[in-house]
Amino acid sequence: EDKVVQSPLSLVVHEGDTVTLNCSYEVTNFRSLLWYKQEKKAPTFLFMLTSSGIEKKSGRLSSILDKKELFSILNITATQTGDSAVYLCAVEARSSAGKSTFGDGTTLTVKP
Amino acid sequence: DVKVTQSSRYLVKRTGEKVFLECVQDMDHENMFWYRQDPGLGLRLIYFSYDVKMKEKGDIPEGYSVSREKKERFSLILESASTNQTSMYLCASSPNWAQETQYFGPGTRLLVL
Repeated sequence: EDKVVQSPLSLVVHEGDTVTLNCSYEVTNFRSLLWYKQEKKAPTFLFMLTSSGIEKKSGRLSSILDKKELFSILNITATQTGDSAVYLCAVEARSSAGKSTFGDGTTLTVKP
Repeated sequence: DVKVTQSSRYLVKRTGEKVFLECVQDMDHENMFWYRQDPGLGLRLIYFSYDVKMKEKGDIPEGYSVSREKKERFSLILESASTNQTSMYLCASSPNWAQETQYFGPGTRLLVL
């Protein structure tokens, strides 16, 4: 059974701090790992990672995948209050017809 | 822009009622998914469909059924709602033809009294 574990479950930081969110996974026949940001409503897509060691970057957010150690990290630098959200990690297997297995999420709170 | 819409944002039903949650996507996606999201439990897959009239059970299908009569529409049915089905329900879709993220609808918050 595919499994995704995220840590920490929750995190409280102050504006300007840098945070690292972790995602470890077990999946048969890995295809991709995805990060989503969820505020009050539906998750919105951040990154899709398929290859080890290649950093994906979007503004202050970046993510990297380690397929040997089966984990990914999401980094947020110079955090802002608007970064407060639940961050979800999901993995997709090749045989899954697009089905993803999600972790429980990390709730990030950024205080002014 | 991909658009996934859900029929209701908030819904209040009574125990034993039959509940229909509708999801429509406008991007001709083959795959559609229904999840429920509860605090501390992440997103759990209820059912998914990879083609019209095709459906597969996810991780927690008990108490639910689905219908996909048309490609753009995927319905989640609670035959007899129970209080433990109070939750946020999220629909998503994705294409088969490319390695793509899932696109989520805005969610339906269901309260069963």
